[in-house]
Amino acid sequence: NAGVTQTPKFRILKIGQSMTLQCTQDMNHNYMYWYRQDPGMGLKLIYYSVGAGITDKGEVPNGYNVSRSTTEDFPLRLELAAPSQTSVYFCASSYGGVYNEQFFGPGTRLTVL
Amino acid sequence: DAKTTQPPSMDCAEGRAANLPCNHSTISGNEYVYWYRQIHSQGPQYIIHGLKNNETNEMASLIITEDRKSSTLILPHATLRDTAVYYCIVRVFTNAGKSTFGDGTTLTVKP
Repeated sequence: NAGVTQTPKFRILKIGQSMTLQCTQDMNHNYMYWYRQDPGMGLKLIYYSVGAGITDKGEVPNGYNVSRSTTEDFPLRLELAAPSQTSVYFCASSYGGVYNEQFFGPGTRLTVL
Repeated sequence: DAKTTQPPSMDCAEGRAANLPCNHSTISGNEYVYWYRQIHSQGPQYIIHGLKNNETNEMASLIITEDRKSSTLILPHATLRDTAVYYCIVRVFTNAGKSTFGDGTTLTVKP
């Protein structure tokens, strides 16, 4: 199993540009998450999904959109990039239930100039 | 979900036990304690979780006080590769929307 994969690894955007961060998991997990981590800080939840077709906001959803059309994929969309969105983005997945151990991808480092 | 408090940093000598505390005084009866760690800039890695009993796995032990208001993660024989940020999270396991990680404890294992 590849686990959780994220693309791209690095990206530089100009203010106002848009992009989609890709996330795929091959563990047949029901739950998927997007986090952002600013330098020296903990992870903050942006959006999450408990199954295909179901998404919900986390702590910091403004400026982002998500969709979950399949169990495997959970893309994160930035429509109008702003410098405040410069961060490292982590995708994670979990099976759910009593364990709900989260498996994380390697992250995407995004810089908005 | 209950709020957690962790010391910002700790040091530990290589080969010694590392004891990382977490305070969660407002924990409710159905909330679990989870521990993750993040090595350098990698994605966080799950370590262990528990409800009220002490737990042990191949990575660590989790000691939860009887009143469940605090817990300690124990790495029995710390190595240099255990240098990382350790996060303590408290939440109901079904509540996926409350999965935010705090600032954690930076553990530095020294030779």
